[in-house]
Amino acid sequence: DGGITQSPKYLFRKEGQNVTLSCEQNLNHDAMYWYRQDPGQGLRLIYYSQIVNDFQKGDIAEGYSVSREKKESFPLTVTSAQKNPTAFYLCASSRRQIWDEQYFGPGTRLTVT
Amino acid sequence: AQSVTQPDIHITVSEGASLELRCNYSYGATPYLFWYVQSPGQGLQLLLKYFSGDTLVQGIKGFEAEFKRSQSSFNLRKPSVHWSDAAEYFCAVGDSSEDYKLSFGAGTTVTVRA
Repeated sequence: DGGITQSPKYLFRKEGQNVTLSCEQNLNHDAMYWYRQDPGQGLRLIYYSQIVNDFQKGDIAEGYSVSREKKESFPLTVTSAQKNPTAFYLCASSRRQIWDEQYFGPGTRLTVT
Repeated sequence: AQSVTQPDIHITVSEGASLELRCNYSYGATPYLFWYVQSPGQGLQLLLKYFSGDTLVQGIKGFEAEFKRSQSSFNLRKPSVHWSDAAEYFCAVGDSSEDYKLSFGAGTTVTVRA
């Protein structure tokens, strides 16, 4: 069964700690994306990657970091520099064609206290 | 850069009634347009997409959308709403010059009353 998995579904951290969110896909997609979702703000792009070993900043990259060492995996690290990290994080993947849809994972809800 | 506006934050509709969700985009060239649906606490699922051809697009779950270039709109419709259609709906526009990125609207929450 092809799809995108994100783990864990819920994550709790103390302020000042870095935390890494997992995203894995078995759709053989080249492109992968990380979004942040806050109530009333839609989805905002954090980072994206079109090929292995390459990634670009999105609209709100400050305080986040990513890596793309394998085609299937695109982990996101929320660093202590992110001022307001509590949010719902969504990972997506797609083929590298503009008319192709992005497939989304189920999301990770991060709460930092 | 492209942008998307969904003017309605929240819509309440009776079960069996029709539904229309508005989406306006700002983009210089021919846009690639998408509608996604999100159930609470879940990821997004594609309802339909438009990139060329017939301006009336059919999607899953009985939804359709019409692309109107003159109005820069891509409104989503469903003739008869079911209770399971209660969700949040997002319009998105893709820009062929922007690395396959999508810009999303802020979303419209649909509540279905019995």
